[in-house]
Amino acid sequence: AQSVTQLGSHVSVSEGALVLLRCNYSSSVPPYLFWYVQYPNQGLQLLLKYTSAATLVKGINGFEAEFKKSETSFHLTKPSAHMSDAAEYFCAVNIGANSKLTFGKGITLSVRP
Amino acid sequence: GAGVSQTPSNKVTEKGKYVELRCDPISGHTALYWYRQSLGQGPEFLIYFQGTGAADDSGLPNDRFFAVRPEGSVSTLKIQRTERGDSAVYLCASSPGTGVETQYFGPGTRLLVL
Repeated sequence: AQSVTQLGSHVSVSEGALVLLRCNYSSSVPPYLFWYVQYPNQGLQLLLKYTSAATLVKGINGFEAEFKKSETSFHLTKPSAHMSDAAEYFCAVNIGANSKLTFGKGITLSVRP
Repeated sequence: GAGVSQTPSNKVTEKGKYVELRCDPISGHTALYWYRQSLGQGPEFLIYFQGTGAADDSGLPNDRFFAVRPEGSVSTLKIQRTERGDSAVYLCASSPGTGVETQYFGPGTRLLVL
C-alpha cells in the first residue's frame, strides 16, 4: 500500500522568502508523485509531477520539486514567495498508470507582506 | 476548452435521504475518478472508471454508495440513506486514460447532511 506524509498543517513565510513544503511517501514499487494546489473556493490544480524521468521537476508558477529515492521524499520549493501563492498544497502518489491517487493531508501556505 | 464540471455545486439534504451527484468529464477523457474530501483532510479515493466499467471501487465506504457511467462519459455518484458523516466535498477528476496521465479535477460538490 502507498501513503503520503505531509508534516505540519500550516507554513507561514514572508513575501520574497524561500518556500519549502515537505512530502515523504511510502510505496512498495517505484512511485509517480504529484503536487496539487487548491486556491480558496477552487478545484485542485496540478503544479508538477514526477514520472521516473528527471528527478528535478519544474512546474508552474516557479515551483519545483526533487525526487529523492534514498530519502523517500518529494519536497516542493519556490525561491521567492509571492502573495498569490497563499493556498493549500497537496502531495499525492500513485503506483501505476490510471490508478488512484493517494493524497497527503495538505499544507496551508500563508504569505506575509 | 471546458474543464471537468460537477453539479450541483452545493447540496443540502436531510439524514436518510437519497442524493445524486453528477460529473461531466473533459471531452474524450476515458478515465474518471471520484474522491471525497472531508474538512481538513486530503481527498480520499472512492472509485475509478475506465470507459463504462468500474475498474477499481475499493474506496467506496459501504453499500450505500454507488456510481455509474453508462455511456462512458457522464458519471453519477449515488448515496442512499445519507448520514451526517457523509457530509464532505465530493470531487470528480478525469484523465485521457493512457500512461501516467494528469488527473484534472472539477470544482467539487459540497454535500451537507443535516
